[in-house]
Amino acid sequence: DAGVIQSPRHEVTEMGQEVTLRCKPISGHDYLFWYRQTMMRGLELLIYFNNNVPIDDSGMPEDRFSAKMPNASFSTLKIQPSEPRDSAVYFCASSLVEPREQFFGPGTRLTVL
Amino acid sequence: SQQGEEDPQALSIQEGENATMNCSYKTSINNLQWYRQNSGRGLVHLILIRSNEREKHSGRLRVTLDTSKKSSSLLITASRAADTASYFCATGSGGYNKLIFGAGTRLAVHP
Repeated sequence: DAGVIQSPRHEVTEMGQEVTLRCKPISGHDYLFWYRQTMMRGLELLIYFNNNVPIDDSGMPEDRFSAKMPNASFSTLKIQPSEPRDSAVYFCASSLVEPREQFFGPGTRLTVL
Repeated sequence: SQQGEEDPQALSIQEGENATMNCSYKTSINNLQWYRQNSGRGLVHLILIRSNEREKHSGRLRVTLDTSKKSSSLLITASRAADTASYFCATGSGGYNKLIFGAGTRLAVHP
């Protein structure tokens, strides 16, 4: 298996623009997680899905953030409109029900100017 | 919000020495996991210990868990320069696979 795939790897955009991050989890995994990592706040869980259903989105910072998982092999995280404080590395991870270890993608480095 | 707090924040050692990192957490858990992150990369799972376990080994890694003190430690024996990375503890609770990560320990192993 190729592991968790994220695209793009790098994104540079201007404030106010819409940003869409994409994730393909490992085939057969039941859970998908979106995280954000910054120096100031560390690794934060934004939202996670179980069998394509959002379970907990309490970590989503604002209404500008939304996430979808239309099928078991694809998820998106959208920021609209983007702001400079959204600059961070965004990780997607997936896991089976058991064992509970999470497999992380390489991340998307987002820079909002 | 962060559940686990790693200690120390940074650790610098020579190759061949052992490295010990500690993690404390606040609420009850059903498992605790350790992850490694090399600079610019995603996190990689190292080891999982369940709340009813006290110690676990994997190669040069040894993890202990003390639920009465709400703490865990990760020991890397005979460290190598390739062990240079950030190490995170993450706690899991409840029926879902949600994890809460700590701030991490930055380990530098010098040749």
